[in-house]
Amino acid sequence: DAGVIQSPRHEVTEMGQEVTLRCKPISGHDYLFWYRQTMMRGLELLIYFNNNVPIDDSGMPEDRFSAKMPNASFSTLKIQPSEPRDSAVYFCASSLRVLGNTIYFGEGSWLTVV
Amino acid sequence: AQKVTQAQTEISVVEKEDVTLDCVYETRDTTYYLFWYKQPPSGELVFLIRRNSFDEQNEISGRYSWNFQKSTSSFNFTITASQVVDSAVYFCALSEASSGATNKLIFGTGTLLAVQP
Repeated sequence: DAGVIQSPRHEVTEMGQEVTLRCKPISGHDYLFWYRQTMMRGLELLIYFNNNVPIDDSGMPEDRFSAKMPNASFSTLKIQPSEPRDSAVYFCASSLRVLGNTIYFGEGSWLTVV
Repeated sequence: AQKVTQAQTEISVVEKEDVTLDCVYETRDTTYYLFWYKQPPSGELVFLIRRNSFDEQNEISGRYSWNFQKSTSSFNFTITASQVVDSAVYFCALSEASSGATNKLIFGTGTLLAVQP
């Protein structure tokens, strides 16, 4: 079975540009998570969805960040405008709607904003 | 408040040595779940194990073993006869029942394990 699929794997963009990260969760999973990993803050949860509905976006750093999940098999995380401090690895993850169930992560999108 | 502490920032061992990675957690929930993930140099996060708070039985999987002790709020990970391929950052994580069926993971800061040939 395919795991969580993210694209792009690597992105280098200039400050001020719009960045869109994409994610396809594991088929049948009800929850989708976006995490960000930085040296300073480690792994932090940005937002998660249940059945395509955003449940908690309290981790989204600023209004420049937005996430959507138009259907069960696709989600996007958008940064507009991007800033150098947004440089990080962004992970998408998914899990079944069972308490304590394993969360499976994608390979990450490595974003560099110059 | 919930918290996961991995006090060891970096560990360096020589191949074939045994190594233990420490994880201490804090939670007020009686029902919770503990996880270990591996992040190799290629960057992906690989699930290793999940334990629930009601199962203190230690687990062994090949060269990997986990020691869960509620009395000390610890969930330590031991690699026996380490290999170079074990070099990675290892994360311990906690999920609490009070977070609902959300499986929100709280991660420790990770331990970088370097296995030298």
